[in-house]
This record gives sequence, structure tokens and C-alpha cells, in this order.
Amino acid sequence: DQQVKQNSPSLSVQEGRISILNCDYTNSMFDYFLWYKKYPAEGPTFLISISSIKDKNEDGRFTVFLNKSAKHLSLHIVPSQPGDSAVYFCAAITYNQGGKLIFGQGTELSVKP
Amino acid sequence: EPEVTQTPSHQVTQMGQEVILRCVPISNHLYFYWYRQILGQKVEFLVSFYNNEISEKSEIFDDQFSVERPDGSNFTLKIRSTKLEDSAMYFCASATASEYEQYFGPGTRLTVT
Repeated sequence: DQQVKQNSPSLSVQEGRISILNCDYTNSMFDYFLWYKKYPAEGPTFLISISSIKDKNEDGRFTVFLNKSAKHLSLHIVPSQPGDSAVYFCAAITYNQGGKLIFGQGTELSVKP
Repeated sequence: EPEVTQTPSHQVTQMGQEVILRCVPISNHLYFYWYRQILGQKVEFLVSFYNNEISEKSEIFDDQFSVERPDGSNFTLKIRSTKLEDSAMYFCASATASEYEQYFGPGTRLTVT
């Protein structure tokens, strides 16, 4: 199931700089997109989401951008902090499918001091 | 802050044995989910549960799997006859009526030998 893809398995960024995590999808029927963050030995933690009718949503240091024509979304973290080091998952959902989240493979972000 | 809890954190079982994984969702949530993540692979949806019945299930969720909400607080996943390929992290999640922002538990690592 390759409906949601994160093509970069890892990303390394200097503390204070911007982190940009990318996600592509193939299913134009997705209604909602979410970003989750995961530390080792923990479950995914909800970070930020965006409806398919929006193109941007911002929450503090985190901003998600959605480009529907390109079927692409990105998560920007500014400024990046060492505590942001984790695996970031993009996920998508379609209404009326029982809340099934479809996840990407994840991108491991490392923020270096 | 309310959180989803799961027990046990690690379960080791022999092939062919039955296992029950337990979850306590967030108390005012109405939608419940199970996902799994095989080592090195994506987080995969197994099943969603609402109003005491299954809303959606994946092709992975075959007759060997079942879910139950035996009382007002617990949500369980039973695997009747475990196979080696069932070895994975199993995550429970719950959501409010919006069903989009799912909150995950820390996971149960199932090892089938």
C-alpha cells in the first residue's frame, strides 16, 4: 500500500534552523492529513493536522503546507530543537472509512546542537 | 493529561497460542483502533471500532483476530492462534467523535517464537 510516501528516510538539521519533512500521496480522495511524531519505545504522538480544503495550518513552531495539485504536503519546524529528534510520520484519512489512518514510512529527524 | 494505556508492554508467546492485548482508551473517546508495526515497516491499520461494533477492518484482520470492549473502559485485541509473522508492535488508539486526531498508546511488543 503506497498511497502515502515519505521518500526521505532520514534528515539531519542544525539546532535553530528549519526542518522540512516531505510527504507525497496518490489518493485524491483523502480528506485530512496528520503528522505524528514517534520516539523509540513510545506510540505515535499527534502533532498537527490539515483538512484537504486548506493549504496551510500553523501551530507554534510547526506549520503544515498542503499542495493538492501536486499531492504533496510538508511539515516545517522552525526553529528546530534537539528535542525534536524523532521519527515523523505523515498519515492520511478518508471520511466514511472507519477512521482508518494510512501512514507513510516515516522520516527520522536528527537535530544537532 | 489523559492518555491511552496498553498492557502488557511485551508479550512473548509460542506459535499457535492465543494472546490478548489490552488497552484502556481515553475515557471520553468513542472511537477505538488497533494498528501494528512490523519491525522496519510502516504502521498498518488493523481495525476500527465504534458503538460496540467493527467499523472498518483491513485485509490483515482475518478470522484469527477479534476485538472486544468487555466493559466501559477496556478494549482488547485477541489473536486466536499466533503465527511467527504476527510478531510486531501493536498500538491501540482512541479518538473523540471527530475521529480524526487519534491518540496512541505506547504499544505492546508481541514476539511469537
